[in-house]
Amino acid sequence: DQQVKQNSPSLSVQEGRISILNCDYTNSMFDYFLWYKKYPAEGPTFLISISSIKDKNEDGRFTVFLNKSAKHLSLHIVPSQPGDSAVYFCAASARAGGTSYGKLTFGQGTILTVHP
Amino acid sequence: GAVVSQHPSRVICKSGTSVKIECRSLDFQATTMFWYRQFPKQSLMLMATSNEGSKATYEQGVEKDKFLINHASLTLSTLTVTSAHPEDSSFYICSARDPIRVGYEQYFGPGTRLTVT
Repeated sequence: DQQVKQNSPSLSVQEGRISILNCDYTNSMFDYFLWYKKYPAEGPTFLISISSIKDKNEDGRFTVFLNKSAKHLSLHIVPSQPGDSAVYFCAASARAGGTSYGKLTFGQGTILTVHP
Repeated sequence: GAVVSQHPSRVICKSGTSVKIECRSLDFQATTMFWYRQFPKQSLMLMATSNEGSKATYEQGVEKDKFLINHASLTLSTLTVTSAHPEDSSFYICSARDPIRVGYEQYFGPGTRLTVT
């Protein structure tokens, strides 16, 4: 049961344009969402997060939007740069206590390629 | 801040031997660390949650006797793959949460590529 889904395996964007990466989730208990960037043979690097009490969070070129009713979030990168080329994972967590506390559930990842 | 290291970065071992992977939080104390594995072109799969001073919590389908986790201090967790087999070959990544930070971000180590021959 894939609770976090990234339905686009890849995305190709021209340098300077906007990159929009999408993520859907099914578990209504998720209330904290994160985006990570990953290069091959390296660990993921944290990019940006959002709590379910917000619908937008911005950090420099990165903005995450959350639509709770649709159980959908997206990461916008603008302007896109060639150095942004990597695999992007969205992840979700449930704040509730118990054994699931703090666990992250990851999507399958989207390969972003930014062309010069 | 929030730097996590892993050692070794690569290891090759023979079938039947055991391999230990270390995960350290370098600039914060991590009461909770996580161990993941990643197969080629797939997502990160959580194997277990490691809590300092207590037993690890394993995800369904992960053999706790095969993947031994020890979290003896606030800055170190180890994963030992016992009696390794070729199907254990994978990319193993640890992460840690900084309890001081408000969010639920996990900070990841660089990963360990395990190859079992």
